Amino acid sequence: AQTVTQSQPEMSVQEAETVTLSCTYDTSESDYYLFWYKQPPSRQMILVIRQEAYKQQNATENRFSVNFQKAAKSFSLKISDSQLGDAAMYFCAYRNFNNAGNMLTFGGGTRLMVKP
Amino acid sequence: GAVVSQHPSRVICKSGTSVKIECRSLDFQATTMFWYRQFPKKSLMLMATSNEGSKATYEQGVEKDKFLINHASLTLSTLTVTSAHPEDSSFYICSARGWISTDTQYFGPGTRLTVL
Repeated sequence: AQTVTQSQPEMSVQEAETVTLSCTYDTSESDYYLFWYKQPPSRQMILVIRQEAYKQQNATENRFSVNFQKAAKSFSLKISDSQLGDAAMYFCAYRNFNNAGNMLTFGGGTRLMVKP
Repeated sequence: GAVVSQHPSRVICKSGTSVKIECRSLDFQATTMFWYRQFPKKSLMLMATSNEGSKATYEQGVEKDKFLINHASLTLSTLTVTSAHPEDSSFYICSARGWISTDTQYFGPGTRLTVL
């Protein structure tokens, strides 16, 4: 079974600074998807970024980028120019490429605090 | 696009009663919907996967007779918590996967259930 580990329960960053959230996973598959979801205080899960394992290029979405290291099974999220609205729980998630059910496996989450 | 709604957002009920939570995909047809449970400050725990027109697949440890799931149409899935007890109090989140973006789940805003 796949597992996803987020080793940082909490992180803090100064507004406008850069922060990196860690995520490692364990799988025997070669093709899969990785996601970062944000859950603000409203509890609404919001997709931040996704990465296909077969793509070598790291995904980027505006201020959000990932460092995908397939061999190390690492998928960290970098948030640049942090804003107060970035404060939230961040969940890393994994899905097999050939999983017909599209089941996601979530990490335990990292709470990000942004200091003004 | 890819908006998922849940109703109600909050519900309080007496022990022994049943509660129905609706999950709707508003602008796409959801071939598969997922139901999660989230305890305070914890990650999401998948309860079941439902495909339109077929029986839901429950995760290990989830009582199918207690958590009834119906996915009667491509835009609606319902979760009914039967004979609710205080230990069923939790935050329930649904997500949906459609035809177009089959590798990504879109989440509803969640339902907070409190059983007195």
